[in-house]
Amino acid sequence: QVQLQESGPGLVKPSQTLSLICTVSGDSVSSGTHYWSWIRQPAGRGLEWIGRIYIDGVTNYNPSLKSRVTVSVDTSNNQFSLKLSSVTAADTAVYYCARESPITAAVVDWGQGTLVTVSS
Amino acid sequence: DIQMTQSPSTLSASVGDRVTITCRASQNINTWLAWYQQKPGKAPKLLIYKAFSLESGVPSRFSGSGSGTEFTLTISSLQPDDFATYYCQQYYSYVTFGQGTKVEFK
Repeated sequence: QVQLQESGPGLVKPSQTLSLICTVSGDSVSSGTHYWSWIRQPAGRGLEWIGRIYIDGVTNYNPSLKSRVTVSVDTSNNQFSLKLSSVTAADTAVYYCARESPITAAVVDWGQGTLVTVSS
Repeated sequence: DIQMTQSPSTLSASVGDRVTITCRASQNINTWLAWYQQKPGKAPKLLIYKAFSLESGVPSRFSGSGSGTEFTLTISSLQPDDFATYYCQQYYSYVTFGQGTKVEFK
């Protein structure tokens, strides 16, 4: 059974960079069979896909966030990470790491989510 | 970008009701559509993938249909555990979610 766990600061100051890590167990981030993604959800609002990484470090990003987002992978620790630069209050949200299946064309596993607040 | 529009935004229903939620895509996405259920404070849970395929372990009262730009999620007989928010998601070009449909007690 795959498990994903987000970790990182819960409070980030405006204009700084938000950094989160997702630790994966039960699968390998280098297996090439799934995509590894970040999705966020502001309080009381809907889901927004941020971006993904997959085989050989290929990345795809939400066009609306592309200029500020970097997703990378650490195969030695079986983790992947998110960096979102120049944050504002609008980036306050619960951030989920997730595993996508290109076969089912869906997000099949989710972390529990971590709240990141942008405030001075 | 592909936009996903769900209707209604809120749906009031009773246990035993047949419930239908609609999702429209801004362009043809074939059957690259999934449905999720989310309860407060929890991560979403996959219900349906590729428009009509039921995820393992999901009760058969959930079903999906549609192709192209119009899709539906149907709950044949609403159960107490089904009161939640439901999201559609396209996978044709990257990933986009609908804005959600909250199913609440009538």
